[in-house]
Amino acid sequence: GQQVMQIPQYQHVQEGEDFTTYCNSSTTLSNIQWYKQRPGGHPVFLIQLVKSGEVKKQKRLTFQFGEAKKNSSLHITATQTTDVGTYFCVNAGKSTFGDGTTLTVKP
Amino acid sequence: DTEVTQTPKHLVMGMTNKKSLKCEQHMGHRAMYWYKQKAKKPPELMFVYSYEKLSINESVPSRFSPECPNSSLLNLHLHALQPEDSALYLCASSQAIRQASPSSYNSPLHFGNGTRLTVT
Repeated sequence: GQQVMQIPQYQHVQEGEDFTTYCNSSTTLSNIQWYKQRPGGHPVFLIQLVKSGEVKKQKRLTFQFGEAKKNSSLHITATQTTDVGTYFCVNAGKSTFGDGTTLTVKP
Repeated sequence: DTEVTQTPKHLVMGMTNKKSLKCEQHMGHRAMYWYKQKAKKPPELMFVYSYEKLSINESVPSRFSPECPNSSLLNLHLHALQPEDSALYLCASSQAIRQASPSSYNSPLHFGNGTRLTVT
């Protein structure tokens, strides 16, 4: 199936440092979604990307969809302790999750 | 807080028990989902209902039996589970799945808080 691979699995940063997680698919995706799951919580929708080369921003978060629609990235500028959690990309056409990247932030 | 309500929050059951997980949403969504999530793993899709009809079954064992009585409710009936079935079970809903040529489009998923299931 259209499985999405996500790297890295874990990322530990000092507060104020930047963070990026990458999502890759072997096949073209119709669209991709990003979710955040806080420890002990449930996944919460962040953004959906549909168009080739699309870039969307939410405050310190920047989301990109590759030109070939096979990869995507989430970049957080100047991380804060509130950013901790696991970030998942989702193949929206199949409703299937990537493996996730767990972010920890040291104050 | 979430607009998708799941009950119970916690459930402990023996391998011979029969129990049900319940999920309810009042957002007018016509697609509902069951996911299973083990610790430190991503949610794993189990079932999808679209307009109250089962549209996706990801080869889930028959000891899990989904039911969608109406557009607001989704149940997951459990029978003869194994200890390895212990996990967080997440329900989600979304606007109706649209199958539009040349690609399908799924709207964002709204998750409940989940049911933490322990099978002893």
